[in-house]
Amino acid sequence: DQQVKQNSPSLSVQEGRISILNCDYTNSMFDYFLWYKKYPAEGPTFLISISSIKDKNEDGRFTVFLNKSAKHLSLHIVPSQPGDSAVYFCAASEGGSQGNLIFGKGTKLSVKP
Amino acid sequence: DVKVTQSSRYLVKRTGEKVFLECVQDMDHENMFWYRQDPGLGLRLIYFSYDVKMKEKGDIPEGYSVSREKKERFSLILESASTNQTSMYLCASSPGDITLRTDTQYFGPGTRLTVL
Repeated sequence: DQQVKQNSPSLSVQEGRISILNCDYTNSMFDYFLWYKKYPAEGPTFLISISSIKDKNEDGRFTVFLNKSAKHLSLHIVPSQPGDSAVYFCAASEGGSQGNLIFGKGTKLSVKP
Repeated sequence: DVKVTQSSRYLVKRTGEKVFLECVQDMDHENMFWYRQDPGLGLRLIYFSYDVKMKEKGDIPEGYSVSREKKERFSLILESASTNQTSMYLCASSPGDITLRTDTQYFGPGTRLTVL
């Protein structure tokens, strides 16, 4: 049973517009959430994270929103750029898990010029 | 900057061969992880290690073993490679201090393994 779900396998957005990537989770014990970006033939790179004590974290063009009651988080990219085209993975962990992350299956974002 | 390196970017092996994938991190991280990534399946955890000589099974350990003799090095071993082990293999490390919630994992570039 998937504990972290990314229900959209792909997303296409026009350059300059907002990209919104969604992630749902089922484990209420998760208290730390991360987004990774992955280009083909490369390892994932850490993008942004959020602790469950917050509902928003912002870093430049990237903002992550957390809705604990809905067990939902989203990554907003504004404005989207062609270089943002990649697969985005959502991940979650719970306190005491010694750093184990549970990953979603990823969403492939395509930003068209 | 955290640096995680993997011994090969691309590897081609034959069925039945013993395969070693090496991973080295230079940030004195406690935790190290091996994943495989397959289209539509995301990242699946094979094995992880919290300390030297410690290892724990992940979600898909069958057909794999690991070795961690030194803190900075974590090896993944395919005792007898099979075609269904053709995949992208990713190594990661994290600081592992759970009191600080440093759960962020840092990944190497990956090894694309093809088993013929």
